[in-house]
Amino acid sequence: DADVTQTPRNRITKTGKRIMLECSQTKGHDRMYWYRQDPGLGLRLIYYSFDVKDINKGEISDGYSVSRQAQAKFSLSLESAIPNQTALYFCATSHSGGRELFFGEGSRLTVL
Amino acid sequence: AQSVAQPEDQVNVAEGNPLTVKCTYSVSGNPYLFWYVQYPNRGLQFLLKYITGDNLVKGSYGFEAEFNKSQTSFHLKKPSALVSDSALYFCAVRERGGFSNTGKLIFGQGTTLQVKP
Repeated sequence: DADVTQTPRNRITKTGKRIMLECSQTKGHDRMYWYRQDPGLGLRLIYYSFDVKDINKGEISDGYSVSRQAQAKFSLSLESAIPNQTALYFCATSHSGGRELFFGEGSRLTVL
Repeated sequence: AQSVAQPEDQVNVAEGNPLTVKCTYSVSGNPYLFWYVQYPNRGLQFLLKYITGDNLVKGSYGFEAEFNKSQTSFHLKKPSALVSDSALYFCAVRERGGFSNTGKLIFGQGTTLQVKP
């Protein structure tokens, strides 16, 4: 079983719909991150969380919100999806004393 | 501003030949440096990291990377490429230490490695 699990893996939706991407982890890490991947742009940070009560905006947080329901769960929401939010979304985790990130398999979102 | 550059969108090599995927960075101080690999329809997998010490870092699957502080580079290398090495490679950087350090990584735009038989 994957240590960092994202659901759904693929989603097609329409403009204006509300979408939630979920991430859960069994690594026991306290830090969790949401990144967005676009071709030619690499990965860009949307939000990150150090623990349940600590949530921070990344470089491209507009149009997104997050919820840290538990240490192991970190959800990303698009309140009103738009086509330029079509992308591959990754959840990642790290230990507070660690350096590298551990990634989920990704959630591919298409907004029509 | 912090940034990471991977100057080549794609690198093509023949199987058995050495490969190099280039990465340069612009970060204050002495950062932590990373390489990740992404296979089709998969997440990013950690390959190797430079924290301190020897400038040549060895990682997974026979990959290594050379840290060059004066050139602010961290190029990924492998002595003999395999067809199965074909994938998308990302260089990433993180600021070192400090109470306010977020631990977040800044990624380059990625380089597609194509190894042909």
